[in-house]
Amino acid sequence: AQSVTQPDARVTVSEGASLQLRCKYSYSATPYLFWYVQYPRQGLQLLLKYYSGDPVVQGVNSFEAEFSKSNSSFHLQKASVHWSDSAVYFCALSLPNSAGNKLTFGIGTRVLVRP
Amino acid sequence: AQTIHQWPVAEIKAVGSPLSLGCTIKGKSSPNLYWYWQATGGTLQQLFYSITVGQVESVVQLNLSASRPKDDQFILSTEKLLLSHSGFYLCAWSDNSGNTLYFGEGSRLIVV
Repeated sequence: AQSVTQPDARVTVSEGASLQLRCKYSYSATPYLFWYVQYPRQGLQLLLKYYSGDPVVQGVNSFEAEFSKSNSSFHLQKASVHWSDSAVYFCALSLPNSAGNKLTFGIGTRVLVRP
Repeated sequence: AQTIHQWPVAEIKAVGSPLSLGCTIKGKSSPNLYWYWQATGGTLQQLFYSITVGQVESVVQLNLSASRPKDDQFILSTEKLLLSHSGFYLCAWSDNSGNTLYFGEGSRLIVV
């Protein structure tokens, strides 16, 4: 069965610093990959997605992610964070043509940006 | 643009009482619809999905049921709440390709 691992439960960074959130997946082929962000007491917002092609994908709010087939990873990055980036970030995958288009989520990484 | 609205925003309910959560999608014809559940501080789990009116597929058994009475509406319900039903319920939609899901703002449920 497929799975998503986010090894860092919490990350604290200073405002203006760079941020990298790690995500590794387990699946025999290349899945669809996503990063979602959840702000306090809100739903999930899609940051970016990868289906195929260029392994570096650009998302909203200056986030980008890089897909690596050899490492089975899809790490999220931002060059310079703002205090408003404090949130929980979820990596997720789905399988092409799967019944119910089920998303398998990681446990999330809580990001705290210090002023 | 498509919009997704969930109601109520939050509920506090007693164990054994009934529950109904709703979700409406505007601006998208014949969407695929989904219910997800998030335990407090936890990850998300798909509960149900529907690709057309009147058809709902169950993914996980949690003593909940779902219905799709109209093209743009998805209802989650139970006749008897359990403590374990507490959490955050998220509705989502996708187009027919199902490649990308877009989530609503969620409904928070506390069962006491």
